Amino acid sequence: GQSLEQPSEVTAVEGAIVQINCTYQTSGFYGLSWYQQHDGGAPTFLSYNGLDGLEETGRFSSFLSRSDSYGYLLLQELQMKDSASYFCAVRDLSNQGGKLIFGQGTELSVKP
Amino acid sequence: DAGVTQSPTHLIKTRGQQVTLRCSPISGHKSVSWYQQVLGQGPQFIFQYYEKEERGRGNFPDRFSARQFPNYSSELNVNALLLGDSALYLCASSLRTDFTYEQYFGPGTRLTVT
Repeated sequence: GQSLEQPSEVTAVEGAIVQINCTYQTSGFYGLSWYQQHDGGAPTFLSYNGLDGLEETGRFSSFLSRSDSYGYLLLQELQMKDSASYFCAVRDLSNQGGKLIFGQGTELSVKP
Repeated sequence: DAGVTQSPTHLIKTRGQQVTLRCSPISGHKSVSWYQQVLGQGPQFIFQYYEKEERGRGNFPDRFSARQFPNYSSELNVNALLLGDSALYLCASSLRTDFTYEQYFGPGTRLTVT
């Protein structure tokens, strides 16, 4: 089967750095994505890692190690507006075609 | 450019009824995916359609069905509603089907089954 594990919640202070980890187990792996979702809002795409290494987009970075089935999202210079849920997601191929599997989400609380 | 739109925003139905949810993708996007999100959990993949053909299906019962129209808009139908179908239903559009590109999500339809 397929499964993704990420911490349920993380708390950090404004200006700090926080790392949200994601480990996955899938029958086929084709990249790790990260999405942000504010309360009551639509998920928004943050990053995608298809190959090992670090991808940087402004204050956000994402890392992937395929040999370890592990990735993380790094948020720097935290701001209050970063308080949201963060989801990792993997593409999985099966005999029912491709599908995107999301983790349960990590709720990030940024404190002043 | 308008983003992904979904209708209705909210819906209340009774057990056993049927519901149809609608989604219009971003102009130029041919791929539409549907997700169910229960409070406190991640989105669960239901279907993906591309060029009017089903390209992927999640682990949902046959009560769930969908279709895509020539203008790439899509409908999700759920028959014989159960209390457990209460959730936020999200539609997402993208340029490709392989989920490596950004998916753009709509605001969702909040379905309550009583």
